[in-house]
Amino acid sequence: DTAVSQTPKYLVTQMGNDKSIKCEQNLGHDTMYWYKQDSKKFLKIMFSYNNKELIINETVPNRFSPKSPDKAHLNLHINSLELGDSAVYFCASSQLAGGITDTQYFGPGTRLTVL
Amino acid sequence: AQSVAQPEDQVNVAEGNPLTVKCTYSVSGNPYLFWYVQYPNRGLQFLLKYITGDNLVKGSYGFEAEFNKSQTSFHLKKPSALVSDSALYFCAVREPGGGNKLTFGTGTQLKVEL
Repeated sequence: DTAVSQTPKYLVTQMGNDKSIKCEQNLGHDTMYWYKQDSKKFLKIMFSYNNKELIINETVPNRFSPKSPDKAHLNLHINSLELGDSAVYFCASSQLAGGITDTQYFGPGTRLTVL
Repeated sequence: AQSVAQPEDQVNVAEGNPLTVKCTYSVSGNPYLFWYVQYPNRGLQFLLKYITGDNLVKGSYGFEAEFNKSQTSFHLKKPSALVSDSALYFCAVREPGGGNKLTFGTGTQLKVEL
């Protein structure tokens, strides 16, 4: 009955590889997000999609490409992985973009380690 | 630009004592404020939020937070701490007209000891 789920939970890969992280929500929400948490636990938004349309893109390198096949899924594809991409990536969802009572619900995270 | 500050990297408290985790904010309009908790190797869990109305907001697991506009603060409180409350706590702010972008503080590690 997980509300926001991510796969895989752990991802270890070599520099230069391309990898994807998948996210799914079963809350019926219209908006989904990707956040990055670095080694110092600092959380920063990367992207937001509302009903499959990109609405937030926070100066993320274009090696990162989100894809939303439908409003329940938001995947993150990363090309040419670099050491600095090592982090925990969190997916989140909320009912409405910009709704003042909107609450974001987070997935369990994907720990990406680039060697 | 919206921002939040959590001045304490770590807070230590004895079980049964009251706890406070501090947060101050900076926004250009009325703030929408949130507290989240992160247990080890877990995602963030929503605790409570302030949108408007009563300055004392009650949330999950016995937590509450007090919104103070004059001090631009939104401190998280609990009357009696439990060892199981030990976790990383994040304050976050959303600015009106800023879409749904949440800006997080740097987090405060709460350690509750017997």
